[in-house]
Amino acid sequence: GIQVEQSPPDLILQEGANSTLRCNFSDSVNNLQWFHQNPWGQLINLFYIPSGTKQNGRLSATTVATERYSLLYISSSQTTDSGVYFCAVVAGTASKLTFGTGTRLQVTL
Amino acid sequence: DAGITQSPRHKVTETGTPVTLRCHQTENHRYMYWYRQDPGHGLRLIHYSYGVKDTDKGEVSDGYSVSRSKTEDFLLTLESATSSQTSVYFCATGPPGPDTQYFGPGTRLTVL
Repeated sequence: GIQVEQSPPDLILQEGANSTLRCNFSDSVNNLQWFHQNPWGQLINLFYIPSGTKQNGRLSATTVATERYSLLYISSSQTTDSGVYFCAVVAGTASKLTFGTGTRLQVTL
Repeated sequence: DAGITQSPRHKVTETGTPVTLRCHQTENHRYMYWYRQDPGHGLRLIHYSYGVKDTDKGEVSDGYSVSRSKTEDFLLTLESATSSQTSVYFCATGPPGPDTQYFGPGTRLTVL
């Protein structure tokens, strides 16, 4: 099946810093989503982005489908951005999401 | 998100006992999913349903069964719980393909 790799696995930032999280996938996809899991365990949709670029406030995402990667940008990070960020994809004719193992982000004061 | 609830939210049980987790949605989504989340593995799909009485296996389905008798409810059953099934279980709804999935709050299950 499709492989989804995320980097870095862990990231520590000071409040106000910017960061880029990467998601590489091994096959063509028709669905790619970014999720944030907050420290209380809730999974929250950030973006549905199988291709192109989207922005939502301080967060933006870009997927280059032909090169099989997606990037999540966090600008001016805040402590509330802490948690784990997951990339998940649906490949080809599959009907289910395959998740990466996530990037754990800690934003400190 | 998307009116998804899970029950119970926490459960402690003993090895060998049957356990049923419930997922309830109010969005009339056709697809429903059960995942488990373990350290170092991210989220892995257990089973999913693409309609009432229509289910299929995910990548870690051994030891689990599911049922869906109504659009809004998707049940996950551990027939005889084992310690390896200690995990956090998430339900999700939504279609595959070009749309998003929405996750419930999770159920933390501990098997002693």
